[in-house]
Formats: sequence, C-alpha cells, structure tokens
Amino acid sequence: SAVISQKPSRDICQRGTSLTIQCQVDSQVTMMFWYRQQPGQSLTLIATANQGSEATYESGFVIDKFPISRPNLTFSTLTVSNMSPEDSSIYLCSVDRTGTEAFFGQGTRLTVV
Amino acid sequence: QKEVEQNSGPLSVPEGAIASLNCTYSDRGSQSFFWYRQYSGKSPELIMFIYSNGDKEDGRFTAQLNKASQYVSLLIRDSQPSDSATYLCAVNQERDDKIIFGKGTRLHILP
Repeated sequence: SAVISQKPSRDICQRGTSLTIQCQVDSQVTMMFWYRQQPGQSLTLIATANQGSEATYESGFVIDKFPISRPNLTFSTLTVSNMSPEDSSIYLCSVDRTGTEAFFGQGTRLTVV
Repeated sequence: QKEVEQNSGPLSVPEGAIASLNCTYSDRGSQSFFWYRQYSGKSPELIMFIYSNGDKEDGRFTAQLNKASQYVSLLIRDSQPSDSATYLCAVNQERDDKIIFGKGTRLHILP
C-alpha cells in the first residue's frame, strides 16, 4: 500500500476564508483523487488530479470553488475557497497504486464557523 | 437507482457471531469490488477486494460476489468488539474507471 501524508489533519476556519489541504505520497503515482465525506455520508469524489494537466471535476464541483494543483507525481493540493458552513466535511486524498484500489490519507476534518 | 446501495444500519451483532454486510450496485459492467472499514474520525481502510464471482476468504473475512445479481457481501466470522465500525462498499465503474462508494453500514458488535 501507499503511504499518504495529508495535512492539516483538522482545522476550524472562518466563513469566507480559504483553506489549502496538502497531500504527499511516498512514491510517484499517476492519478490522485480528492474526496469529500460530509457528516453521516459516504465518500463523494470531487476531482481527479493529473500531473501536467487540469484536474477533472465531478458533477457539482467546480474549479473556482475547489482549485487543485498537481505540480509533480507525488504531491497535490486542494483548496476550499470562500468557505461556508456547508463546506464542513472531511476531505480525503486518495491514490490508486494498483490500477484498481484506492488508498487514503488520514483526512482533513474541516469545520467552518 | 443509486449506484452503490447499502443498508445504513446500525447492524448489531453479538460478539462471536457472524456479521453479514450487503451491497448492491447498478453498473453491470463493474469488475472490481471493495470493502473498506472506517472507524469514527478515521479515514477508510481497505480490508477486502474481489474481482471474480464466488467467495474470497482472508482470515475472519469472506467477500462474496454475484455479478448476475449485482450483489456483493462481506461476512465477518467470530465478530469482535474491534470490528465495530462503518463498512463501505465500493465499486470500480467500467464506464469511467472511477471508484464509487456506498453510504456505508454501521456495524456494532455487542460484547
């Protein structure tokens, strides 16, 4: 399995501000994924981050709200912009090391007040 | 129809008994199926995956897949209190190769 380091592990942010979440993998991976898990819900894919190209966003998610960077094959960031209380969730970085399986970072628990 | 469906529970099982968790999926072309365990406040952890029809056993865990019925299950034998968690079923969709998760089933093992 991959070792995925995600930070911060948690944060409490003011409404209207932005938070950037970092994800570092211990080896090179082609695709990195960002998920959101709202309270009591399952994981929802936000976007797929590919190195050297724009991220691919899922329906309901837009780049202006969730800009993503992927500067190299071991690192990605997700920014949650102009936050509102509805953005309070756990955000998870994931990589697919074997072609079919998803391994997750420890997650970032975000609370917007 | 939701893409991956699970009963949200909670499912309460006495310690030492068999816990049975079920999942159905809508993409008939899906080839890969996963079970993740998620403890409260933690990220999901892969515990089983299955690709072929039939059963796959790993220790106390058995995954069962029936592609004709679009049904996958997870059996946990000799349930322990440490098995109390939310179990997420996930399916790799054929059409876009994305992994889609169910909402999870909360399992509570009664001491």
